[in-house]
Amino acid sequence: GAVVSQHPSRVICKSGTSVKIECRSLDFQATTMFWYRQFPKQSLMLMATSNEGSKATYEQGVEKDKFLINHASLTLSTLTVTSAHPEDSSFYICSASPGQGFSYNSPLHFGNGTRLTVT
Amino acid sequence: GDSVTQMEGPVTLSEEAFLTINCTYTATGYPSLFWYVQYPGEGLQLLLKATKADDKGSNKGFEATYRKETTSFHLEKGSVQVSDSAVYFCALSALYNQGGKLIFGQGTELSVKP
Repeated sequence: GAVVSQHPSRVICKSGTSVKIECRSLDFQATTMFWYRQFPKQSLMLMATSNEGSKATYEQGVEKDKFLINHASLTLSTLTVTSAHPEDSSFYICSASPGQGFSYNSPLHFGNGTRLTVT
Repeated sequence: GDSVTQMEGPVTLSEEAFLTINCTYTATGYPSLFWYVQYPGEGLQLLLKATKADDKGSNKGFEATYRKETTSFHLEKGSVQVSDSAVYFCALSALYNQGGKLIFGQGTELSVKP
């Protein structure tokens, strides 16, 4: 089945540094990938939609200069948390769907998430 | 706007008990409906889906039927196991949502005791 790999699974960084999280679709191409953020015991909040070859679309309230998204190829999207602060500590999850054109009938496949801790 | 509401957890059951997790939705038009499961420290896995009214999604003993008249997609399993302990998310995706974004319910934590 469709596999989405996310790396790293855990990262601890110091306040003020930047962290890059990678999301790869291993056995399919994904024109569109999504980045979610999840707080403890809460649901997933969509942060942005990553489009291959173009700028990401950010949800309202998400700082695009803080959460930089690059979708350089059909199998890789990256999320960079710039100048991280303790309040950015969270669980970040990416997702993608097979196919060149995203269909609302196609389920999303999720990576295993990245636990970011900013000290 | 579109939304998904799930029953609050945590839900604690004994092994082999019957499970129901309620999910209702609000949407314009005809969304696709999904159940995802999240095990501790992991991402989400698709459990089942239904794309039109009266469809029944099923997988690993879990079932859910798309009920348009009650705007519901309740998750059921006849006999739960300890390994079913996880957080379950109901979600919808609609054609008119840009890019078919998933809208999630708040999640329901299930704990199954031996």
